[in-house]
Amino acid sequence: NAGVTQTPKFRILKIGQSMTLQCTQDMNHNYMYWYRQDPGMGLKLIYYSVGAGITDKGEVPNGYNVSRSTTEDFPLRLELAAPSQTSVYFCASKGNGRATGELFFGEGSRLTVL
Amino acid sequence: AQRVTQPEKLLSVFKGAPVELKCNYSYSGSPELFWYVQYSRQRLQLLLRHISRESIKGFTADLNKGETSFHLKKPFAQEEDSAMYYCALRKGGAQKLVFGQGTRLTINP
Repeated sequence: NAGVTQTPKFRILKIGQSMTLQCTQDMNHNYMYWYRQDPGMGLKLIYYSVGAGITDKGEVPNGYNVSRSTTEDFPLRLELAAPSQTSVYFCASKGNGRATGELFFGEGSRLTVL
Repeated sequence: AQRVTQPEKLLSVFKGAPVELKCNYSYSGSPELFWYVQYSRQRLQLLLRHISRESIKGFTADLNKGETSFHLKKPFAQEEDSAMYYCALRKGGAQKLVFGQGTRLTINP
């Protein structure tokens, strides 16, 4: 079972460049999330989606954009990359029942902006 | 707004010793609390949730609403318990989890 798949695993960007982190899940989950993990800061929610066509901001959305055209895919776009966006990014999905709290995570994407 | 605090960034104990990872939360309603774990070179995964009241890999956690805490405990630590641990909160009915800062647990042989 693939679960949640993120690509790329590693990427180095120059300041001002743009890129898209890809995330796909094969569990037919409605809910999908993007978190960033910074040392000592834990996981911060960037954006989330409750279903295809619906997205909403999390705690730290500035500098990012998302789209959710299908149930499976939830790409995260970085426009004009900045050093502050150096982080490890995690995509996650959650089952469809309102009572279901467990998140399933991807392996993470380590991004460095120089 | 709800908040999760893990006061210890690093925790080191010897194998066989008891371990307790602290988690405090601030939320006035009825929260759902979780512990997630990230072992080396593995993805973040659910360890346990308070509503299940279960023991996973020897770990237990009790929700104390009076002290707004959800500490993770294990009576005898094993080397394979070395990992990053995150406490997380979901407020009732919400679809988002709020995570604490994480505690890196190291079990020394």
